[in-house]
Parts: sequence; C-alpha cells; structure tokens
Amino acid sequence: DTGVSQDPRHKITKRGQNVTFRCDPISEHNRLYWYRQTLGQGPEFLTYFQNEAQLEKSRLLSDRFSAERPKGSFSTLEIQRTEQGDSAMYLCASSLALTSGSTDTQYFGPGTRLTVL
Amino acid sequence: DQQVKQNSPSLSVQEGRISILNCDYTNSMFDYFLWYKKYPAEGPTFLISISSIKDKNEDGRFTVFLNKSAKHLSLHIVPSQPGDSAVYFCAASAGEETSGSRLTFGEGTQLTVNP
Repeated sequence: DTGVSQDPRHKITKRGQNVTFRCDPISEHNRLYWYRQTLGQGPEFLTYFQNEAQLEKSRLLSDRFSAERPKGSFSTLEIQRTEQGDSAMYLCASSLALTSGSTDTQYFGPGTRLTVL
Repeated sequence: DQQVKQNSPSLSVQEGRISILNCDYTNSMFDYFLWYKKYPAEGPTFLISISSIKDKNEDGRFTVFLNKSAKHLSLHIVPSQPGDSAVYFCAASAGEETSGSRLTFGEGTQLTVNP
C-alpha cells in the first residue's frame, strides 16, 4: 500500500504534555498538508509544505504547534503543553503539484486521534 | 465564517435509488471543488472533483454538478449501494496564489443507504 500513513493512530496524553505525530506522504508527492477535525465538523486547514518549505500556516496554529518536513519527505507535527481543546483528529494529506498554480488533489491518511485528559 | 456549507446533516435513501448531496459556497474565488467520503476512524477518501471551468464531471456512479452563478454544487450517486453509507464532505480550493491550495470543507452529510 503506497497511500499516506500516519503514526500513531491514537494518542492519549495528560494536559501539559508534549506530543508529536508523524506523517509519511505518497512517495512522489511534493506537497504535504496538516488538517484538524473535531466532532461534527469538516477538517480545518493547519499548515502546508511544498517540499521542505512551510509555505502557509493557519491562524488556528498557535505558537504551541510546530510542524516540520526536514527533507521534503515525512513530516512531524508537535503540540507543546497540550490543552483539552487540542483533542481532535489530526489529518495529513499529500498531493502532487506539477506546476506553480496548478490545482492538486489531496489524498488523506487515516489520521491520528488525540485525546487530552 | 462558514465559506462552504452542507445544509443537510443527514440523508437516507433506498438501495438502487439516486442520492443527491448538496453543497453551497460563498467565496467567489473558489475555483476547484472536491467531494470526499469518510468512514468512521478513517481519513477522507477522494471521490471526484470539478474545476470551475466545467459544470459537470462524471466518474462511474458519481457525477458532480457545478452551478457557479448559484455558488452551488451537488454530488449524484446512481445507483446508491449500502457500501456508499458514509459521511460525505464537500471541499473547495481558491488556487495557489489566493490560498495556497488549502481546502475549505463543509460540515459533512451522513448518507445512509438502506438495503
């Protein structure tokens, strides 16, 4: 299976702890996105990378959140000093943008379910 | 500010009949629209997309219609099958220069297809 993978699938943590999630995109994809989904809502954009460059961050991404894609392949999303409001499904997606300005279809991973107690 | 809205939280249809899922948007800069299907505990699965230069795109049992003047799109599933039961999300993109290809999603519609 060469789809988008995410690890872990589930994470339970106590308030104030730091957590890190990993996303492995489809291998030839140059763009990688992070979204957050809460119950009853659609996914909300957090940030995206083109290769290793982080090109856009949502205002939802507070300074407790940081994302990296160091070699333009896998990405990590870290949440520091977790709060109960961070409990959500964190989704990663990847796409292949062939030219600047082209529309690209995003393919999603299974998500990481975070529960902050 | 909900730029993409799916006003029906749920829809129930009989197997073999047509399912029609609706989506409205407010941002006139959106130029690419997608439908995703989501099963519980899984990520969204891409179904079909349409560019704003078209008004219809078809892929097997799935057809998406776009009415730009009304800022409305719909997904038709014919014939509906029990395995189609899932949450369907409408998503839109305003293009790289405007929004970096980020997707804006609706709230989702739970489709139930009864045998």
